[in-house]
Amino acid sequence: EAQVTQNPRYLITVTGKKLTVTCSQNMNHEYMSWYRQDPGLGLRQIYYSMNVEVTDKGDVPEGYKVSRKEKRNFPLILESPSPNQTSLYFCASSLSRGNSPLHFGNGTRLTVT
Amino acid sequence: AQSVTQPDIHITVSEGASLELRCNYSYGATPYLFWYVQSPGQGLQLLLKYFSGDTLVQGIKGFEAEFKRSQSSFNLRKPSVHWSDAAEYFCAVVTYNTDKLIFGTGTRLQVFP
Repeated sequence: EAQVTQNPRYLITVTGKKLTVTCSQNMNHEYMSWYRQDPGLGLRQIYYSMNVEVTDKGDVPEGYKVSRKEKRNFPLILESPSPNQTSLYFCASSLSRGNSPLHFGNGTRLTVT
Repeated sequence: AQSVTQPDIHITVSEGASLELRCNYSYGATPYLFWYVQSPGQGLQLLLKYFSGDTLVQGIKGFEAEFKRSQSSFNLRKPSVHWSDAAEYFCAVVTYNTDKLIFGTGTRLQVFP
């Protein structure tokens, strides 16, 4: 089954404790992206990747890191989480950036206390 | 800057009633247009898309959308809503010159039996 898998689904952590949210897709997609969803703000892009070893900032990259060492994986790293990073995070992938429809994971709800 | 506006934050309809969700965009040329649906606890799923051609497009789950260039709109419609349609709906656009996907802030649909 074609899918984007994110883990964990729920995560509660404390300020400053490094964490990683994993994302994996099995569709051989070149393009992958991370979004955060906040009430009243819709989805905002954090980082995206056009292909292996190619990543770029989205609209809200501060406080986040990503890597794309393999085509299928695109982890999101919070080196020193802060409470304002409490949010619902989505990973998505598509054949290419632009007009290719995105396939989304089921989300990771992060709470930073 | 390009933007997407969904003027209705929350809509409530009775089951069996018709539905129209509004979406307006600001961009000089015709962008690529999408509607996504987010069911509770799930990621976003593509409902339909418009790139060119016939301005009335059909999607999954009985939804359709009409592109109106003169109004810069891409409204989503369904003739008879089912309780399972309760979800959040996002309009999104991609502009030719940037390949950047921009989401609206979403409309939450509540369906009463």
